[in-house]
Amino acid sequence: AQSVTQPDIHITVSEGASLELRCNYSYGATPYLFWYVQSPGQGLQLLLKYFSGDTLVQGIKGFEAEFKRSQSSFNLRKPSVHWSDAAEYFCAVGASNTDKLIFGTGTRLQVFP
Amino acid sequence: GAGVSQSPSNKVTEKGKDVELRCDPISGHTALYWYRQSLGQGLEFLIYFQGNSAPDKSGLPSDRFSAERTGGSVSTLTIQRTQQEDSAVYLCASSSPKGGSAFFGQGTRLTVV
Repeated sequence: AQSVTQPDIHITVSEGASLELRCNYSYGATPYLFWYVQSPGQGLQLLLKYFSGDTLVQGIKGFEAEFKRSQSSFNLRKPSVHWSDAAEYFCAVGASNTDKLIFGTGTRLQVFP
Repeated sequence: GAGVSQSPSNKVTEKGKDVELRCDPISGHTALYWYRQSLGQGLEFLIYFQGNSAPDKSGLPSDRFSAERTGGSVSTLTIQRTQQEDSAVYLCASSSPKGGSAFFGQGTRLTVV
């Protein structure tokens, strides 16, 4: 069965520090992978997606993610975190770019000045 | 419209009452999805529409839940005889037939008292 695991429920970093949010997936075929961000009181916004090709994908707001098939991972990274990045981050997997998405339980990011 | 619109934004209802949640997708988007986000949980897939048909209803939690879509546009999610465990944020998303990712609405926060 398809599943997504985000092992870190809550992460705290200092502003300016680097960030890596972990995501592992279980999927029987080539997955379509997504990262979404949800700020307080806001809807979900797509940060980036991976369908095929280059395994390192760039997204909005300075985020990037790397698809590692051997590790079934799609970790999200940012070299220098800003206070405005505090939010909840969700990793998701789908069978295509229009199929339903299976979401992880999310990682809440807190940023200290 | 410019984005996915959901109404109402908040709904408080008494246990046992029926509720209807509305989703107005982005114009031209043929795929429409309903998800549920409970406190401390990730997003749970409910149902997927392609046009007016629903090829995947696998996420509807019980027969109290139903959804329809008319004219390939607006969708209504109906919950009959609401229970307290139905309290959650119900999110709607739509995507283009040309591919691309799902865009989410702001959600309807349902509270059953």
